[in-house]
Amino acid sequence: SYVLTQSPSVSVAPGQTARITCGENNIGSKSVHWYQQKPGQAPVLVVYDDSDRPSGIPERFSGSNSGNTATLTISRVEAGDEADYYCQVWDSSSGVFGGGTKLAVL
Amino acid sequence: EVQLVESGGGLVTPGGSLRLSCAASGFSFSPYSMEWVRQAPGKGLEWVSSIGTSSSSMSYADSVKGRFTISRDNAKNSVYLQMNSLRAEDTALYYCARLHGTANNYYFDYWGQGTLVTVSS
Repeated sequence: SYVLTQSPSVSVAPGQTARITCGENNIGSKSVHWYQQKPGQAPVLVVYDDSDRPSGIPERFSGSNSGNTATLTISRVEAGDEADYYCQVWDSSSGVFGGGTKLAVL
Repeated sequence: EVQLVESGGGLVTPGGSLRLSCAASGFSFSPYSMEWVRQAPGKGLEWVSSIGTSSSSMSYADSVKGRFTISRDNAKNSVYLQMNSLRAEDTALYYCARLHGTANNYYFDYWGQGTLVTVSS
């Protein structure tokens, strides 16, 4: 079964680029989806199918997936991007989430 | 506008039962699989259960299998989670979510605000 590994935290200065990774053996063979969760709020889908964005999500959010690592990239980071980010795949009739990465904007 | 509104959470003693409900609006309910995802205090997201469009298929996380039962009523645009034999480790915020996607590639495109379940004596 899939176990998605995320770094617990990432820190970045405003205006810089944040990269949040999600690792699993051969994850590139799956489609990966990403969620943003701000404190006290429900998760919000920010990237689906590796690199597509739902309507209303800024172009600053992008994704890629190859080999053993999927990556969520947030360009020109803003203070409002500070949140927990979760990757997710669908495997054997069940959802699988990574442990989450806390993005801190310095 | 898609809305998912959960209810039914509360404080229950270990071994007790609760039934969660999720009322959906703003979209055609019956063509979508529906999910429950939970989040323990200060922890990450954990998928709990899934139900297919006509209740033909249901699946559960190993941690709840045999204790939780998911169901839906398409006439009422609602999905339910019957939780029995509750344990302290079931304490969490329970989210209802809509499943989207195809061909064994699915994601959760809309989420409710959650209902809190606390299992404690």
